Amino acid sequence: KQEVTQIPAALSVPEGENLVLNCSFTDSAIYNLQWFRQDPGKGLTSLLLIQSSQREQTSGRLNASLDKSSGRSTLYIAASQPGDSATYLCAAPRDNQGGKLIFGQGTELSVKP
Amino acid sequence: ETGVTQTPRHLVMGMTNKKSLKCEQHLGHNAMYWYKQSAKKPLELMFVYSLEERVENNSVPSRFSPECPNSSHLFLHLHTLQPEDSALYLCASSHTGQYTGELFFGEGSRLTVL
Repeated sequence: KQEVTQIPAALSVPEGENLVLNCSFTDSAIYNLQWFRQDPGKGLTSLLLIQSSQREQTSGRLNASLDKSSGRSTLYIAASQPGDSATYLCAAPRDNQGGKLIFGQGTELSVKP
Repeated sequence: ETGVTQTPRHLVMGMTNKKSLKCEQHLGHNAMYWYKQSAKKPLELMFVYSLEERVENNSVPSRFSPECPNSSHLFLHLHTLQPEDSALYLCASSHTGQYTGELFFGEGSRLTVL
């Protein structure tokens, strides 16, 4: 059974810092891993989707990596900005039907001006 | 309209009321989902519809009743709810049968049960 964990639960950094958010999963037979952003009281915005055959994906200042052997994914945010403040969630499919996701608890990021 | 749209965004109801949440997707997907997000808990999958057929019910109480009249619309009918059902209810859609598929979420409906 797939389990997803995110540490730390909260992170506060000064503006401009490069940072890494961590996501761990228990089943290395992962189909893909998706990173989301959630602003307070809002829905989830998909940031990056990494397929099991890929090592990383990039979108602007965001880079996500996937290491199946170690059961880890990281989301790297370069040159952080106050607008990056949000909760970041990672999720992996429970089975081969992609939409049934198992979510981590999320990391609440605060970027201070 | 683009993406996944949910209405209403906020709903307050008493325990004896009957209300419905609506979700509409404009992405051409054929699978739709209801997720529940309670305070301090990870998102939980409630229901899955694939090609308008309910394919999964994750032990959700019968006071929650989903309906999927077509591949673009999904409803969650609510009746005789409990205060602990207060949460953010999120609708999502994807292409069915594709484990490589990306999941897209709506803005959610914030439900408060008095």
